[in-house]
Amino acid sequence: DIQMTQSPSSLSASVGDRVTITCRASQGIRNDLGWYQQKPGKAPKRLIYDASSLQSGVPSRFSGTGSGTEFTLTISSLQPEDFATYYCLQYNSYPWTFGQGTKVEIK
Amino acid sequence: EVQLVESGGGLVQPGGSLRLSCAASGFMISTSTMNWVRQAPGRGLEWVAYIGGSSNTIYYADSVKGRFTVSRDNAKSSLYLQMNSLRAEDTALYYCTRSGYWGQGTLVTVSS
Repeated sequence: DIQMTQSPSSLSASVGDRVTITCRASQGIRNDLGWYQQKPGKAPKRLIYDASSLQSGVPSRFSGTGSGTEFTLTISSLQPEDFATYYCLQYNSYPWTFGQGTKVEIK
Repeated sequence: EVQLVESGGGLVQPGGSLRLSCAASGFMISTSTMNWVRQAPGRGLEWVAYIGGSSNTIYYADSVKGRFTVSRDNAKSSLYLQMNSLRAEDTALYYCTRSGYWGQGTLVTVSS
């Protein structure tokens, strides 16, 4: 099974900050990675697919980079509605595996 | 517009069974790959099961293999998850997903 190591597990940031979240895969997954945002009581929402493609309707302040084993989600200027938990997901092979999540909190 | 609506969750005793349903609209379920994902209270996301477009390919997480069965009814545009021999650790919100789209989930609670 492919293990996804996501870091940090939590972070505190202010509105306007640049935020970076990282996922590392235990083996190469090409660009078969997505990033999800989840707010309390809501289903996860896909932000990025294929490592760097922005889901339709998602603000351009979200971006994804990486390939192989190292991936990054960047929020260029954190907005109040961005405070949530973020997960990466590898879909290169089954079983699909998620990162442990990163909770982004208000500083 | 793609919509996924799960139902069938509830409270069940350990060892019991439940059948979850996912009603799909806005796309052809018969040719779509579908997944079930779950989230235990306060925990992260865990993939549970996959069914391929032709239903010939099915995968399960080791944690549910032999106890859960995924299937679909194309005529009803619905996906199912038959869950048997339920355990306390199966308590979770269960989501059906398709290519980035997620339903709102249905809650399964396994408790005596």
